[in-house]
Amino acid sequence: EVQLVQSGAEVKKPGESLKISCKGSGYSFTSYWIGWVRQMPGKGLEWMGIIYPGDSDTRYSPSFQGQVTISADKSISTAYLQWSSLKASDTAMYYCARPNGGYGEALAFDYWGQGTLVTVSS
Amino acid sequence: DIVMTQSPDSLAVSLGERATINCKSSQSVLYSSNNKNYLAWYQQKPGQPPKLLIYWASTRESGVPDRFSGSGSGTDFTLTISSLQAEDVAVYYCQQYYSTPIFTFGPGTKVDIK
Repeated sequence: EVQLVQSGAEVKKPGESLKISCKGSGYSFTSYWIGWVRQMPGKGLEWMGIIYPGDSDTRYSPSFQGQVTISADKSISTAYLQWSSLKASDTAMYYCARPNGGYGEALAFDYWGQGTLVTVSS
Repeated sequence: DIVMTQSPDSLAVSLGERATINCKSSQSVLYSSNNKNYLAWYQQKPGQPPKLLIYWASTRESGVPDRFSGSGSGTDFTLTISSLQAEDVAVYYCQQYYSTPIFTFGPGTKVDIK
């Protein structure tokens, strides 16, 4: 059974750094992309970026380029989303999701993590 | 970048009635080489992650009730719930994957019971 299990909720102060995780299981972690999606309180889904753990090829939405870093450790089947300096506007639920299809063609997101709530407040 | 829009923002439908949600892309998401529309629909209920309902614009994901159907091609798409049930109250999003591995979601349409 394919599963994406995310790390727990975080409460941080502005200016702090943070790295949240998404552990994949039940499939070949290096053969599928993993993406990250932001959902601000009461708002819609925003695609942030995606990584192919097989070779660490990473793409970002222009809206998030330079604001976050996506990485992966294929030895432990885990993808990461990190911030170097959080802002209050980073308060949101963050989902990881796995698109179907392999390296050549990432398709619809058929598996999702449970979400990680990040709260940034002074 | 491909921009996705949806209409209406929200709708309220009586139980057993039809609900129709529209999605438009700023450029065609139909690949001529395989004649497939790179368009998906998701359902998100409160407190839950999104769930894939439809891919290739009209193919239901396994386990999705057949009251959900997708149609359209090119730039204009529709998600139809043929007979609304109480458990269908949710926000519905379209998403293009034509520019894979770059993706964009529509803004969402909230469906409620009238």
